[in-house]
Amino acid sequence: QQQVKQSPQSLIVQKGGISIINCAYENTAFDYFPWYQQFPGKGPALLIAIRPDVSEKKEGRFTISFNKSAKQFSLHIMDSQPGDSATYFCAASPLGNQFYFGTGTSLTVIP
Amino acid sequence: DAGVTQSPTHLIKTRGQQVTLRCSPKSGHDTVSWYQQALGQGPQFIFQYYEEEERQRGNFPDRFSGHQFPNYSSELNVNALLLGDSALYLCASSFGTANTEAFFGQGTRLTVV
Repeated sequence: QQQVKQSPQSLIVQKGGISIINCAYENTAFDYFPWYQQFPGKGPALLIAIRPDVSEKKEGRFTISFNKSAKQFSLHIMDSQPGDSATYFCAASPLGNQFYFGTGTSLTVIP
Repeated sequence: DAGVTQSPTHLIKTRGQQVTLRCSPKSGHDTVSWYQQALGQGPQFIFQYYEEEERQRGNFPDRFSGHQFPNYSSELNVNALLLGDSALYLCASSFGTANTEAFFGQGTRLTVV
């Protein structure tokens, strides 16, 4: 049973466009929601994370939107660049416990 | 400041053999978690070590075991390897038991033939 559902599986965006990746969860005990970026052959790198007490968090071109009532959260990448081409994973965890990862979104940014 | 380092980077083993993977956490971190990432999938939690004890365990068989040393480094051992154990094994470190700000190593690519 997939604890965190992620969509889309793949995404193609033009350079300068906005990339949007969505995740949904059911477990109300989840208290921490990070996003990771992974390049081929590398480990996941923490991009940005949010706690459920805020609805939005922005760091540079990356923004997390969080909807606690809908149990959904999303990653927005503004002004997408070819260097952003990677696989993105959302995750969720009860604080202090294991991360449950989504299935990943392969993002391709076309120059 | 070195991040999370894992060794070896690649490994090929024969079915039925045993393997040991190693992880050194990021400086200042004392908690180590291990994940298995199959090709095209998200990482799956194996277990977490804190204060040299297994604190949490995911849905993996007893063939998967681990250890944490006083310097916070950790080992993952897998016995009686199966073809299905072929995956990228990731180590993540964090500070304390809150498990926020977890940093991953580059992983060990294990191939079982």
